[in-house]
Amino acid sequence: DTEVTQTPKHLVMGMTNKKSLKCEQHMGHRAMYWYKQKAKKPPELMFVYSYEKLSINESVPSRFSPECPNSSLLNLHLHALQPEDSALYLCASKGRGGGSEAFFGQGTRLTVV
Amino acid sequence: SQQGEEDPQALSIQEGENATMNCSYKTSINNLQWYRQNSGRGLVHLILIRSNEREKHSGRLRVTLDTSKKSSSLLITASRAADTASYFCATVNNQAGTALIFGKGTTLSVSS
Repeated sequence: DTEVTQTPKHLVMGMTNKKSLKCEQHMGHRAMYWYKQKAKKPPELMFVYSYEKLSINESVPSRFSPECPNSSLLNLHLHALQPEDSALYLCASKGRGGGSEAFFGQGTRLTVV
Repeated sequence: SQQGEEDPQALSIQEGENATMNCSYKTSINNLQWYRQNSGRGLVHLILIRSNEREKHSGRLRVTLDTSKKSSSLLITASRAADTASYFCATVNNQAGTALIFGKGTTLSVSS
């Protein structure tokens, strides 16, 4: 199984809502990532988890809260988002070392209204 | 943060033609990877070239790497309409651990 599964595929939320994005992989990868991608732009790194511990937070606002409950799951909790947070949110996982490829989920298309 | 810059930003060609995309990066690397993204979907790994390699082939893909110029190119030969997508180069930035940092990307449009 070389899939990274993200749910939901689409999400519309109000600025006062709380929602969560979910990501799951069963490849035994111990590095997992959240990226944010705006239209016609490259993915921008948000968070890095290594062995279930948050190792990098790329100065992301606290209204985005990541969580890694176990080695297969990665969540992104959303609260009090702004319309400019509307984007495609991508989860990825990677095997050991810098010389391996990353596997991406299909993303969650988030719209904040 | 973005590591690489691709050019051209957009490329339109006819089926059967070759497409060449270039990428430049800023820091030293162990390897450089190319990814493809169909509209609004996840990224798919295409090919990885290590810093001690100068050229690599995979099917219709040919990648070159020039570490002295900090640049790479991706050549797609005999393009097909199904190659229409965005293409990104990516490197591992030591400041980001094992995470990939992506260049700005090239949007390729292949018409039949």
